[in-house]
Amino acid sequence: DAKTTQPPSMDCAEGRAANLPCNHSTISGNEYVYWYRQIHSQGPQYIIHGLKNNETNEMASLIITEDRKSSTLILPHATLRDTAVYYCIVRSPLRGGGSNYKLTFGKGTLLTVNP
Amino acid sequence: NAGVMQNPRHLVRRRGQEARLRCSPMKGHSHVYWYRQLPEEGLKFMVYLQKENIIDESGMPKERFSAEFPKEGPSILRIQQVVRGDSAAYFCASSLIRDRGFGQVDEQFFGPGTRLTVL
Repeated sequence: DAKTTQPPSMDCAEGRAANLPCNHSTISGNEYVYWYRQIHSQGPQYIIHGLKNNETNEMASLIITEDRKSSTLILPHATLRDTAVYYCIVRSPLRGGGSNYKLTFGKGTLLTVNP
Repeated sequence: NAGVMQNPRHLVRRRGQEARLRCSPMKGHSHVYWYRQLPEEGLKFMVYLQKENIIDESGMPKERFSAEFPKEGPSILRIQQVVRGDSAAYFCASSLIRDRGFGQVDEQFFGPGTRLTVL
């Protein structure tokens, strides 16, 4: 799976949009971009994933650049409860005999939402 | 729809004792994964199981660790003769696998974890 690069930390004001960047310059054509977050002392929480089109769900939006070498996770109205470590993970689709089901967690970005 | 359940949430063992960690996947999920998170580190994959089968245990230490996912009941991660270095948070995840046309994808849903402390 392609490696990802994320800033170690970011701050955001409550109520503002939080934009978390991720670089994955070695991503392959069939690899997905996943985002998870881990609130302190809790299990990781799935947020969103995409292949090449922008995606939106009730939690966030995922913007993937046209060349797919980077992406941005957008929390449109950050709240204090969004303070967490956010992980960007690139994975190949699952195929028989492959090991792409593994999630490889890097260090992520610690997002701190301030009042 | 109940999420992934893990118990106990906290477990204290003395060196040399056994630790048994349990994971009940989400309803309808037949794929279970175990990850370990050492203090101040990211999660590391340990093992992937389907009902009655170990698919990949490449992340498991070669000795003292074992995992199972029986036909009935929860998945069990078992650590024999625990040592202080086993102190960590152990997370279980479960998933469905769905074909999206570009290949199969899954969303792994994590439990709250079991925090093992070895004295």
